[in-house]
This record gives sequence, C-alpha cells and structure tokens, in this order.
Amino acid sequence: DSGVTQTPKHLITATGQRVTLRCSPRSGDLSVYWYQQSLDQGLQFLIQYYNGEERAKGNILERFSAQQFPDLHSELNLSSLELGDSALYFCASSVGKGFEQPQHFGDGTRLSIL
Amino acid sequence: AQKITQTQPGMFVQEKEAVTLDCTYDTSDPSYGLFWYKQPSSGEMIFLIYQGSYDQQNATEGRYSLNFQKARKSANLVISASQLGDSAMYFCAMRGPYNFNKFYFGSGTKLNVKP
Repeated sequence: DSGVTQTPKHLITATGQRVTLRCSPRSGDLSVYWYQQSLDQGLQFLIQYYNGEERAKGNILERFSAQQFPDLHSELNLSSLELGDSALYFCASSVGKGFEQPQHFGDGTRLSIL
Repeated sequence: AQKITQTQPGMFVQEKEAVTLDCTYDTSDPSYGLFWYKQPSSGEMIFLIYQGSYDQQNATEGRYSLNFQKARKSANLVISASQLGDSAMYFCAMRGPYNFNKFYFGSGTKLNVKP
C-alpha cells in the first residue's frame, strides 16, 4: 500500500461529459503529480501541485484542470470528454524536498469513454 | 530533450535467470536521484529501488540491484533469479536535476519471464 488514495478506481462515461478524479496524498507529502497513461504507453505528465500551488505543467489539455485543496487532497477535472481521453490516470505524491524521495503512486483511475 | 532513455521496448528472460534492463539519463548537474518502478498488468506503479547521484555503492533491494555507472550516465536495473511474477513494465525515472520537484520517466521496458 503506497498510502496514496485515488477514487474512483473505474469510471465509465460518455463523450462530452465531465468527470472529477480525486487523490489523497500520503500523510506528510506536500507535492501531488497527475499523469495520464494511455493503453500500452508511458506516463504522460499532466500537472504538479505543491502545498496548494501549481508548480509545473506538462502536456495538459485546456479541457483538463486540477487543484490542490488546503487539506492537500487534489482533484483532476476532465471536461468535454473525447474517446481519446480513455486512459489510466495516476496521482502520485512525494515529500517536497530531497532528491532521494521517490514518488508514491496511487492505484490509478481507469477512465473509459464510450 | 529526452532526460531518460530506455532503449529496450521489450525483453524476454528465462525463469530463474538474471536480466538487465537498461536506462541512460541526461544531466550535467551533480545532484539527482534515480528510481525504478514496476507496473504489472494490474496497472499499479510500484517503487522498487533508488540510487542517489552521490552514492558510492550500487543500491540493492532483495533481488533488485542498480548498476550505477555515473560517468556513462547509466542506471541499469538488474533482476536476479527472475520469477514469473516479474513479468511487468519497468520504468526508470530521475528526480531533478536542479529542481527536486521535477520527475522524468523513461518510456518503459516490458519484461516477459518465460517458464
């Protein structure tokens, strides 16, 4: 158990809809990262938050947004969903400092767009 | 620019044999961390092993060891005595350089262990 909690585990919805993915980081971790992994692909970095502030942006579409709340949980909002958004979405957390600290991943949310 | 390169998209190994998964990285900064993750078919990402840029000795964790060659900028994962349960996707990652908030992942190597 990594200590990172992602909900829901599975999500099935239709094109054009909007969904929210939730992540609770490990206790004590201030940084939250979101990744998208399409079928048999690598990890695509989307966005990072540190203690409530956005710190880095990757290839995140304008239809996607995220935030980190004062209690450090984070939400990734995906809107106007398209078939190509079907993927496994990971949240990972890490302590804010130190090169020796790994990212710890949640189990992911598997999003299927019909 | 590609920070982490994994040149082996897929590999096969016989059960009980050792296997090396390659990883090279690109940085001129002295401070960084290197990590390996395992992703089985069930999808979760499992942290396996860490190597610090200043570490003099290669990291080991059970059957996993990291062959760290700093001058060559390589951080290969060695799995000894492969088991069927080692069949998975393996990702190499780097934290830093310069900014410890940055993580870079390689494209992964899919390992298949044959009985």
